[in-house]
Parts: sequence; C-alpha cells; structure tokens
Amino acid sequence: DAGVTQSPTHLIKTRGQQVTLRCSPKSGHDTVSWYQQALGQGPQFIFQYYEEEERQRGNFPDRFSGHQFPNYSSELNVNALLLGDSALYLCASSLSRDRGNYGYTFGSGTRLTVV
Amino acid sequence: DQQVKQNSPSLSVQEGRISILNCDYTNSMFDYFLWYKKYPAEGPTFLISISSIKDKNEDGRFTVFLNKSAKHLSLHIVPSQPGDSAVYFCAAPNTGNQFYFGTGTSLTVIP
Repeated sequence: DAGVTQSPTHLIKTRGQQVTLRCSPKSGHDTVSWYQQALGQGPQFIFQYYEEEERQRGNFPDRFSGHQFPNYSSELNVNALLLGDSALYLCASSLSRDRGNYGYTFGSGTRLTVV
Repeated sequence: DQQVKQNSPSLSVQEGRISILNCDYTNSMFDYFLWYKKYPAEGPTFLISISSIKDKNEDGRFTVFLNKSAKHLSLHIVPSQPGDSAVYFCAAPNTGNQFYFGTGTSLTVIP
C-alpha cells in the first residue's frame, strides 16, 4: 500500500519564477494538507484541501495556491518565488472524518531551493 | 505566533539512558497532542499521542506526560537506542486538523 508520494524530490528555481509541486495521497485518504518546513523550523501549515476545495489556510500570501483533483491528488503552486521560499514542502494526507493522529501520513517532501 | 514551542534544539544521551524531550504550548483549547519523529530525507512519522483528558500515555519505550496546568508535555524514551537518533517534533491539531508544530529537538543517542 503506497503511502504519500511527492514529486519532484528536489527542485532549483530562480527568483521570480513559478513552481508546481505534486502530491498523491495515501490510498483511501481524501484530504491533503501542505506544510512548509524552513531550515531549523517546524512544519508550518499552508492550506488543506478536501472535496477539491480549500478548507483551511494558514498565514501564507496569495502567491501560494493549490488545487485538488477528483482522484484526491493535489498540487501546490508558488508564484513570484522569493529566496525565502526555499524550504522543504511536505504533503500530508488524511481521512476527513479522522482527527489527531488517525491516518495523518506525511510524504518525504520536496526540497525547493530558490537562487 | 508560535503556539507550540520546543526550547531545546538538541539533546545528546548515552545509549541505555533516558531521553526527555520537552514541549510547551500556549493554546488551552488544544485537546490532543502528538509527537512525530523525523529522519533526514524522510517525512515526519507519528510516534505517540495523548488526549488532554489524560496525563500519561505509554507505548513500549515511549511515554508522553501532559501537565495541563503548566501547558507542558514531555516525551520520555527509556532505554534510549542509537536508532532513536532523529529530530522529534511536538504537535497539536486545531479542530480543523491543522497541525501546529514545535521547532523540533534533535536527539543523538551515543552508543
């Protein structure tokens, strides 16, 4: 049973460019959350998608946007990249009716470097 | 606003001894707390959790203690093993399952 799959694993972009990161949730999960983990910090919540809609959003600018597809997979888009966007981007999937630790599974992340 | 805090960035212990990792929180509405373990190049994996109605939860070598009045929880690992060397994150979800994470404590268990 495949867990959460993220692609690509590593990415280097130039300041001002746009980037798209992808996530396939664990089989059976219907909710996808995205987190940004800067160096030396804990993961910070970006947003959560359920039923193809953004359900919750953290304190991130509109340059960060997302999408969820009918098969529950998700994309994270970041426009006008800044050097400060360099981080590990983590995708986590879960089942909407569960809370806490139940079924909240993280992917290995995408390491984004903005130069 | 850092709602979950881990004030010790690193900890080193000898193999076989106890490791104690600490976490503080500010939001009294949190009703659930979790510890995640993260190895390099991997995503965080769930380790152990505790409900706010309990003050202790044990799972093998891992025990989490919760002191609600102090808004403090701790993770005890006994005995510590070299394979426990990782970054440990304390986390708490809001009602919408948005997780608030601490900054992590890097544990090194010395053989």
